[in-house]
Amino acid sequence: GAVVSQHPSWVICKSGTSVKIECRSLDFQATTMFWYRQFPKQSLMLMATSNEGSKATYEQGVEKDKFLINHASLTLSTLTVTSAHPEDSSFYICSASAHLTSGSYNEQFFGPGTRLTVL
Amino acid sequence: GQQLNQSPQSMFIQEGEDVSMNCTSSSIFNTWLWYKQDPGEGPVLLIALYKAGELTSNGRLTAQFGITRKDSFLNISASIPSDVGIYFCAGRGPTGNQFYFGTGTSLTVIP
Repeated sequence: GAVVSQHPSWVICKSGTSVKIECRSLDFQATTMFWYRQFPKQSLMLMATSNEGSKATYEQGVEKDKFLINHASLTLSTLTVTSAHPEDSSFYICSASAHLTSGSYNEQFFGPGTRLTVL
Repeated sequence: GQQLNQSPQSMFIQEGEDVSMNCTSSSIFNTWLWYKQDPGEGPVLLIALYKAGELTSNGRLTAQFGITRKDSFLNISASIPSDVGIYFCAGRGPTGNQFYFGTGTSLTVIP
């Protein structure tokens, strides 16, 4: 259980175009999803927290108009990188929050990531 | 966002050796998690810790939640080649549902 998928797994786009990345919880409902970006050989940096049906909460320094997040249902969140530029090239990873077992707390389960390359 | 300090940054060990890595923060966390990430993939949860002082095992892995709630360690016993990867700690603060990640420890196991 607790499987999270991401689509696409990789994408190459031209500078100035927009790219949408989907994150789905396959076998559970996730009230909260998170988006991270990871540069090579670095840690995961939280970009935003997305709650179903409400606006995302962005971390300091993350441009909300550039990284549009939509959490339309309990199983789907999308991240759209608008007007992408080469510096936006990175590994984008989503996670979904769910209870492991009865009595436990919400844990985060990660998707496999999306490699974005902007030419 | 916050970032946790992990050490060591990298380790090269012989197969069969034990491994220890730790994670520290200037802030208190209510939950500590340990993840392993293989290249080009998302992190996979290894162990979750919920109470200060808690010691939890998962096979050859053992992790502890520090008494001060500002640190945690992960031990791997009798390492094997498939233990290779990057290990991240993550902490959840008391004010929200966000997790913040450590800087990572890269583990290389030499057969």
